[in-house]
Amino acid sequence: AQKVTQAQTEISVVEKEDVTLDCVYETRDTTYYLFWYKQPPSGELVFLIRRNSFDEQNEISGRYSWNFQKSTSSFNFTITASQVVDSAVYFCALSFPWGDKLIFGTGTRLQVFP
Amino acid sequence: DTAVSQTPKYLVTQMGNDKSIKCEQNLGHDTMYWYKQDSKKFLKIMFSYNNKELIINETVPNRFSPKSPDKAHLNLHINSLELGDSAVYFCASSLRDKEEAFFGQGTRLTVV
Repeated sequence: AQKVTQAQTEISVVEKEDVTLDCVYETRDTTYYLFWYKQPPSGELVFLIRRNSFDEQNEISGRYSWNFQKSTSSFNFTITASQVVDSAVYFCALSFPWGDKLIFGTGTRLQVFP
Repeated sequence: DTAVSQTPKYLVTQMGNDKSIKCEQNLGHDTMYWYKQDSKKFLKIMFSYNNKELIINETVPNRFSPKSPDKAHLNLHINSLELGDSAVYFCASSLRDKEEAFFGQGTRLTVV
């Protein structure tokens, strides 16, 4: 089965707190890609990051960081010093070479309060 | 410069009507998609096209007919609209071997 699980339906934090969004994936393929997308209240889907299965190096981009661990099939996303503008639904997704589609998790709604 | 644009952004229509949503991308991508996002925010692939050829049809009712006149366009026509078709429809595009997809702004379809 190919599946993405985001167990956290909703997370609420206060500004400046750090928050981690969990993503667990299932696949028997050895080559695959993992993604995070952000959907702010305005509704568009914004690409954040793509990771391929051969690259387990963690990535940091400003306040955002991603922790990819093949041993636990997880691709977690951490926002450091959260801001109100980070409030959105965040989706983790899985795809495969020539797979022609993204398999999305159910999303995690993050609310950051001032 | 809008990379993936879809029109209209909002569409309200009565049951039984036929409607179309248009999508265009100016990224030079060879693969385009339609995704459906339901009221619980769940996103699921409907169709994907590569170089104007249908690659994926994910058990979508045949009332939905995509059409790709060229690599830069993928339109979605829906016949005999039903209440359950109410959703947000997203168009997306990518380079097939790169896999990361860029999405349009979405079309919120409401069937009354």
